[in-house]
Amino acid sequence: KNEVEQSPQNLTAQEGEFITINCSYSVGISALHWLQQHPGGGIVSLFMLSSGKKKHGRLIATINIQEKHSSLHITASHPRDSAVYTCAVNQGAQKLVFGQGTRLTINP
Amino acid sequence: NAGVMQNPRHLVRRRGQEARLRCSPMKGHSHVYWYRQLPEEGLKFMVYLQKENIIDESGMPKERFSAEFPKEGPSILRIQQVVRGDSAAYFCAGGQGNSPLHFGNGTRLTVT
Repeated sequence: KNEVEQSPQNLTAQEGEFITINCSYSVGISALHWLQQHPGGGIVSLFMLSSGKKKHGRLIATINIQEKHSSLHITASHPRDSAVYTCAVNQGAQKLVFGQGTRLTINP
Repeated sequence: NAGVMQNPRHLVRRRGQEARLRCSPMKGHSHVYWYRQLPEEGLKFMVYLQKENIIDESGMPKERFSAEFPKEGPSILRIQQVVRGDSAAYFCAGGQGNSPLHFGNGTRLTVT
């Protein structure tokens, strides 16, 4: 079993739908990251969380430390949101352990 | 601040050649991570470096791969005698303390 599990692995939705991507982890962490990668593109760090909730535009990330679970939400989804979203956890300061990624496709 | 710069963006090497990938972190970044993304797979940790020190290289293949982050200049990931299985996207990220990481755009290595 991977230390970081994401679901779903693939998600297709219509423009405007509310999107949720989930991440569960089994190790102690100091922080959790949500990353976005467009096809052939670089990696953008969307959020870094150690507790609670953060919001940036249409994106919201939450984390529940007790349940070892985080969610990334996208409101009013748009085709340009189509990308791979990856959750990664910091074990101490030393390295990130990545989930396998969720491939999101938003159809117009 | 130009962000984390990686070069080249694309690198083609024949089997047996050497590949050198460069990463210039942002000003103030005290540590650098290298990650590899194989085709259709997720990101995998390779190595964590601070200036002039390798802190954690548990994700590096034991042979042919090496990394450095000198006092001056960029971090270098070096792959000797490349093989087709080395074809991947290699990303570096820079950071300082507990601040969020900043990723470069990656180097896409193709071994022919």
